[in-house]
Amino acid sequence: NAGVTQTPKFQVLKTGQSMTLQCAQDMNHNSMYWYRQDPGMGLRLIYYSASEGTTDKGEVPNGYNVSRLNKREFSLRLESAAPSQTSVYFCASSDQGTGELFFGEGSRLTVL
Amino acid sequence: AQKITQTQPGMFVQEKEAVTLDCTYDTSDQSYGLFWYKQPSSGEMIFLIYQGSYDEQNATEGRYSLNFQKARKSANLVISASQLGDSAMYFCAMRERFSSGSARQLTFGSGTQLTVLP
Repeated sequence: NAGVTQTPKFQVLKTGQSMTLQCAQDMNHNSMYWYRQDPGMGLRLIYYSASEGTTDKGEVPNGYNVSRLNKREFSLRLESAAPSQTSVYFCASSDQGTGELFFGEGSRLTVL
Repeated sequence: AQKITQTQPGMFVQEKEAVTLDCTYDTSDQSYGLFWYKQPSSGEMIFLIYQGSYDEQNATEGRYSLNFQKARKSANLVISASQLGDSAMYFCAMRERFSSGSARQLTFGSGTQLTVLP
């Protein structure tokens, strides 16, 4: 029962470096999401993909890009990392029922 | 304006007692959903309970119940008979439709850190 799998779980970057967070789900969900979690601010939506082939900006998209590679996979790319992007990143997917989100375990990113 | 407001950054409760975590929301949609998630110190997000805006009965899941007061736009989580393992961060979230109607994102509150005392 893998659910939502995201990699890596931990990453340390220097300012200006790039990296991609990978996410895959095996629940045949149409919609996928990337959130970031910062202390005292809950989870904020970065980008989402309502279905394969579509992506849209969320609340805090600046500095990020995404790719919905296929129905299973949704990646998040930081082209030039900044210290303000130090955060915990969660990938999630949802079904067409209640809209409950199924989360990955999170990826802790530190930008020095 | 905040769509989801959790006014209690931290709460303490004695083991075996009940506790209520507050959540108010703001939406003009008629159709929406309200969720509670638990995040223990290990970091994963655990779904607890869901309430649809058209549901007439308050949702219950084991020791969790959602006190849904639609007119007041509140969706408080009630945990009965608290256990030490309930110590965690709790997030209230709301699902609205995008204007395109094509996706179902959740908007989260800032969370309440619950500590259960032995």
